[in-house]
Amino acid sequence: DTAVSQTPKYLVTQMGNDKSIKCEQNLGHDTMYWYKQDSKKFLKIMFSYNNKELIINETVPNRFSPKSPDKAHLNLHINSLELGDSAVYFCASSRTPFGFYEQYFGPGTRLTVT
Amino acid sequence: GQQVMQIPQYQHVQEGEDFTTYCNSSTTLSNIQWYKQRPGGHPVFLIQLVKSGEVKKQKRLTFQFGEAKKNSSLHITATQTTDVGTYFCAGAGAGNNRKLIWGLGTSLAVNP
Repeated sequence: DTAVSQTPKYLVTQMGNDKSIKCEQNLGHDTMYWYKQDSKKFLKIMFSYNNKELIINETVPNRFSPKSPDKAHLNLHINSLELGDSAVYFCASSRTPFGFYEQYFGPGTRLTVT
Repeated sequence: GQQVMQIPQYQHVQEGEDFTTYCNSSTTLSNIQWYKQRPGGHPVFLIQLVKSGEVKKQKRLTFQFGEAKKNSSLHITATQTTDVGTYFCAGAGAGNNRKLIWGLGTSLAVNP
């Protein structure tokens, strides 16, 4: 059983389109995250949810909207995609929102905007 | 705000050579975590250090947490091609600011 799963694994789309990425964790964790990793490998946290409540919202364009229907799922919707959105997006989960517990990452979604 | 600096950004070694990556925080940390990301893969948790001066070993990997809990290092002895990847440190602030702050990562390449 995959602990943290994401779909789709690859996403190729044109500028201006809207797309969604889905994430699910079966670890029973309370906290889930979205990260963006650009070509330079820098891991930038975008959002974090704890028990369906948004607790971290970094300086991300409001074209990005996360949604957590329950604590096992965290989706990311992106409106009006731009070239600069091309990156790998990782979902992760941890037992609590504080940095004391390790984070488990999904396999990533490679988004390419043309 | 709190920052975690990680150096070097890249390291290229010959198989069998040693490798070290360093993390330095601008503030005291409550704990620090290390992750490894293989090429094309996702970050995978390696270890967590909590105590001042703590040293932990995993086979050829040695992790240290500084006495002041503001710096940490990961040392790999006699690198192998399987060590290739990007190593990230991530530190949690002390007190009420327990958010994990990530270093920029060190990408390790190993020549066979």
